[in-house]
Amino acid sequence: AQSVTQLDSHVSVSEGTPVLLRCNYSSSYSPSLFWYVQHPNKGLQLLLKYTSAATLVKGINGFEAEFKKSETSFHLTKPSAHMSDAAEYFCVGGKFQGAQKLVFGQGTRLTINP
Amino acid sequence: DGGITQSPKYLFRKEGQNVTLSCEQNLNHDAMYWYRQDPGQGLRLIYYSQIVNDFQKGDIAEGYSVSREKKESFPLTVTSAQKNPTAFYLCASSRQGPYEQYFGPGTRLTVT
Repeated sequence: AQSVTQLDSHVSVSEGTPVLLRCNYSSSYSPSLFWYVQHPNKGLQLLLKYTSAATLVKGINGFEAEFKKSETSFHLTKPSAHMSDAAEYFCVGGKFQGAQKLVFGQGTRLTINP
Repeated sequence: DGGITQSPKYLFRKEGQNVTLSCEQNLNHDAMYWYRQDPGQGLRLIYYSQIVNDFQKGDIAEGYSVSREKKESFPLTVTSAQKNPTAFYLCASSRQGPYEQYFGPGTRLTVT
């Protein structure tokens, strides 16, 4: 079955340190992969998207992700965490079959320690 | 401002009652979607529509119904047949094709 797997359900980092949120996908999900962020009781906001134009994708708020086909990974990183980054992050695969169907990872809750 | 609006933000209903959740977008998107989110889980697709007057079932359509009479609007009705309706409901829209989806702020439905 096609799937997106987020390897950590919870990540905790100190403010100012790097962030790494890990995501693996099934090979059939190339070429569309996305990262979304959700703050408590809010909708999802698109952070970045991979659509085969470049393997290193830059997003909003200093986040970036690298598509590695050989590892079937699409990890999300940020050089320096900020308190406002505390939220739930979803790695999402998109498969277009007449309509864009999204399959969501289970989410990673990011906690930032002062 | 362009975007997606959902109303109300919180909704409370008694068991056995139907309830309709509103979703409106002014992004001129053809495709619209309804998702359900349960605590600690990712989103699951309920229904989607690619064009006015047409819609398809998603992965968990049982107990739900939709309509798409206008491009801008895609209301979701949670019927009394839905066994566990308490959840956070999110509406999204996108251009036609393999593009990203944009989400509304969500409606939290509580049924007691």
